[in-house]
Amino acid sequence: AQRVTQPEKLLSVFKGAPVELKCNYSYSGSPELFWYVQYSRQRLQLLLRHISRESIKGFTADLNKGETSFHLKKPFAQEEDSAMYYCALGGADGLTFGKGTHLIIQP
Amino acid sequence: DVKVTQSSRYLVKRTGEKVFLECVQDMDHENMFWYRQDPGLGLRLIYFSYDVKMKEKGDIPEGYSVSREKKERFSLILESASTNQTSMYLCASSSPGQGADEQYFGPGTRLTVT
Repeated sequence: AQRVTQPEKLLSVFKGAPVELKCNYSYSGSPELFWYVQYSRQRLQLLLRHISRESIKGFTADLNKGETSFHLKKPFAQEEDSAMYYCALGGADGLTFGKGTHLIIQP
Repeated sequence: DVKVTQSSRYLVKRTGEKVFLECVQDMDHENMFWYRQDPGLGLRLIYFSYDVKMKEKGDIPEGYSVSREKKERFSLILESASTNQTSMYLCASSSPGQGADEQYFGPGTRLTVT
């Protein structure tokens, strides 16, 4: 069965500090991984997907098949990055989401 | 720009009532999904549909049913609402072959069952 684990429910960092949101997955096939973000009072939206290998809003995520991880990183956090972040794994029945990490950027 | 709309942002219902949550998408997407979102539990899939009149159970279908009579509309039904169904309900849609698995979400319906 496929599974997504986000070990941190809450992550608090200071503005300008580096951010790393952890995501590990369990999947027998070739994984398709995503990060979704939900800002306060806004709908859930796609942040990035691993196959595009692009940086969105300064965030990047690298798929590490050996460690079965897809951690989300940003070198310098900004206050507007405060949000709920979900890692998701694509499969035959759609997406399996992790439980989410609430990122708080302190001024 | 994909638009997924949900009929209500907030809903308060009494235990035992039949509840309908409506979702409409305007991008001709084949796939539609219903999730519930709870703090500490993330998003859990209730039901999904790959085509009109087709439905598949997700991870937590108990106490729910769905209806998809038209491609653009996917309804979630709580036959007899209970307090443990108090939650945020999210609808999503996607189209296979166009960033398959990239789902577009509605704004959510916060349902309170008293």
